[in-house]
Amino acid sequence: AQSVTQLDSQVPVFEEAPVELRCNYSSSVSVYLFWYVQYPNQGLQLLLKYLSGSTLVKGINGFEAEFNKSQTSFHLRKPSVHISDTAEYFCAVSRNDYKLSFGAGTTVTVRA
Amino acid sequence: DAGVTQSPTHLIKTRGQQVTLRCSPKSGHDTVSWYQQALGQGPQFIFQYYEEEERQRGNFPDRFSGHQFPNYSSELNVNALLLGDSALYLCASSLRTRSYEQYFGPGTRLTVT
Repeated sequence: AQSVTQLDSQVPVFEEAPVELRCNYSSSVSVYLFWYVQYPNQGLQLLLKYLSGSTLVKGINGFEAEFNKSQTSFHLRKPSVHISDTAEYFCAVSRNDYKLSFGAGTTVTVRA
Repeated sequence: DAGVTQSPTHLIKTRGQQVTLRCSPKSGHDTVSWYQQALGQGPQFIFQYYEEEERQRGNFPDRFSGHQFPNYSSELNVNALLLGDSALYLCASSLRTRSYEQYFGPGTRLTVT
């Protein structure tokens, strides 16, 4: 079985400040890792993915994430946030057994 | 290039009724997955369809059923609705060979009263 833990349920941050959203997973086998963003009253949009190769992954809208196998983590970062980054962020893992398993989400609120 | 589309956008039903939700996958995709997202929670996997057959199922009762058509579009049916079925239902499409790489539609908001 695999599970995903997002360590912060809410992250308030000021505009132009950096942000890090933490994600840990548990799995006995190799996994694929994803970050999705959900804006209010919308579906999920894929931010970035780690399938293999370089552990530093760059995504859309200036986001990046680093895969750390020894710590089973996949933390998401952005060096400078905008008001428009206010949203819910979900970490997800797949063991290539068809389904995605999601964390509970992190609400990011960007303030001016 | 059209993305994943879902209909309807919103739906209100009464306890005990039945509901059908629809999904059209992203162009070129042949696999459809359904997820339930309760308020304030992450999405939970319901099932996945490929070649018109259920490929894998999550921990949901038999009241939840689905179908995939030859054009790869899909339906989610829920019978005997309960108040707890109120949620955002998300459809995701992918390629069979990369079924973990899923692209989501905007969802259908179901409210059961």
